[in-house]
Amino acid sequence: DAGVIQSPRHEVTEMGQEVTLRCKLISGHNSLFWYRQTMMRGLELLIYFNNNVPIDDSGMPEDRFSAKMPNASFSTLKIQPSEPRDSAVYFCASSGQITGELFFGEGSRLTVL
Amino acid sequence: QKEVEQNSGPLSVPEGAIASLNCTYSDRVSQSFFWYRQYSGKSPELIMSIYSNGDKEDGRFTAQLNKASQYVSLLIRDSQPSDSATYLCAPLANQAGTALIFGKGTTLSVSS
Repeated sequence: DAGVIQSPRHEVTEMGQEVTLRCKLISGHNSLFWYRQTMMRGLELLIYFNNNVPIDDSGMPEDRFSAKMPNASFSTLKIQPSEPRDSAVYFCASSGQITGELFFGEGSRLTVL
Repeated sequence: QKEVEQNSGPLSVPEGAIASLNCTYSDRVSQSFFWYRQYSGKSPELIMSIYSNGDKEDGRFTAQLNKASQYVSLLIRDSQPSDSATYLCAPLANQAGTALIFGKGTTLSVSS
């Protein structure tokens, strides 16, 4: 089975530009998590969905960040406008309900100049 | 505010030694813990889960949980250079049984 698929793997953009990160869940999983990882702050939970419904978005830094899950297998994380402090690796992870194990995608490395 | 604390390291051990990684948490509701391993430039992957007080062994890895002290540890016996990575602990934090909050991780370096 294919794992969690994220795109793009690398994104370099200029401050003020819109950034869209994409994630495809593992088939059969019903929970979707967006994390951000930096050296200073570690792995931070941004938002998570269960059965397409956002459950907790308290980790979203500010209104510039938004996440959607238009169907059961796909999600987007959008940053508009982007700022240099948004530079980080953004991970998407999915989970079924039995083991509780999180399966991470390979991450999207974002650099905002 | 739920918090997870880990020593950032680096923790350096010689090949064949026992590596001990520790984690404390502030949320008394947490009932289970997961340990994830993250190689440099890669994504985290689950290596151990523990749900009750005491020890759980899986090969060279042993997880220990003490809920009263809000403390969990991971022991790696016969450490190998391939164990060099960052180890993240994460408490169970929601009803779905999925880890949500991670510590910043302890970086382990095993020298040959």
